[in-house]
Amino acid sequence: GQNIDQPTEMTATEGAIVQINCTYQTSGFNGLFWYQQHAGEAPTFLSYNVLDGLEEKGRFSSFLSRSKGYSYLLLKELQMKDSASYLCAPMDSNYQLIWGAGTKLIIKP
Amino acid sequence: GAVVSQHPSWVICKSGTSVKIECRSLDFQATTMFWYRQFPKQSLMLMATSNEGSKATYEQGVEKDKFLINHASLTLSTLTVTSAHPEDSSFYICSAVKGASGGNEQFFGPGTRLTVL
Repeated sequence: GQNIDQPTEMTATEGAIVQINCTYQTSGFNGLFWYQQHAGEAPTFLSYNVLDGLEEKGRFSSFLSRSKGYSYLLLKELQMKDSASYLCAPMDSNYQLIWGAGTKLIIKP
Repeated sequence: GAVVSQHPSWVICKSGTSVKIECRSLDFQATTMFWYRQFPKQSLMLMATSNEGSKATYEQGVEKDKFLINHASLTLSTLTVTSAHPEDSSFYICSAVKGASGGNEQFFGPGTRLTVL
């Protein structure tokens, strides 16, 4: 079967660093996406990894290990506006995104 | 850029009526669009894959006669919820794939919140 495993909720302090881990199992693999979703809004794209390694984009970085079925999203210099759900979504052999419930990140002052 | 719009943003309707939701790719052509539904605090659930010029592919458990999808052009897909009932109240989100399918990013519309009374 196909499944995503992420922590349900995480809490971090403004200005700190947080790492959100994701393990996945899919039928085939065509890359992995990370999306941010604020409450009541649609997801917005953060990153896409298709090869092993780290992709850095400003305050956000994403890492992928295909052999381990593992990815993480690293958020630096946390801001209050980063409070949101973060969705790890691998793409299967049919090029469909597989969605979990995401990780709700709470930022405290 | 790649902008996707949805209309309406929110709609309230009476039970038994039909509601049409439009999804448009504003600055690119999308041969493939996806329709999702999301209940509060739950993950996105793919309802169907909409391909321009052909019939939509529905996910298991999604009634194709209740959720009518039309992808008449490369920039427009519509979802019609027929004979809506309170249990259909949800957040409906479309996404569009830029360029050929396969490995491309999905650009999401802002979503449509449907409330059926």
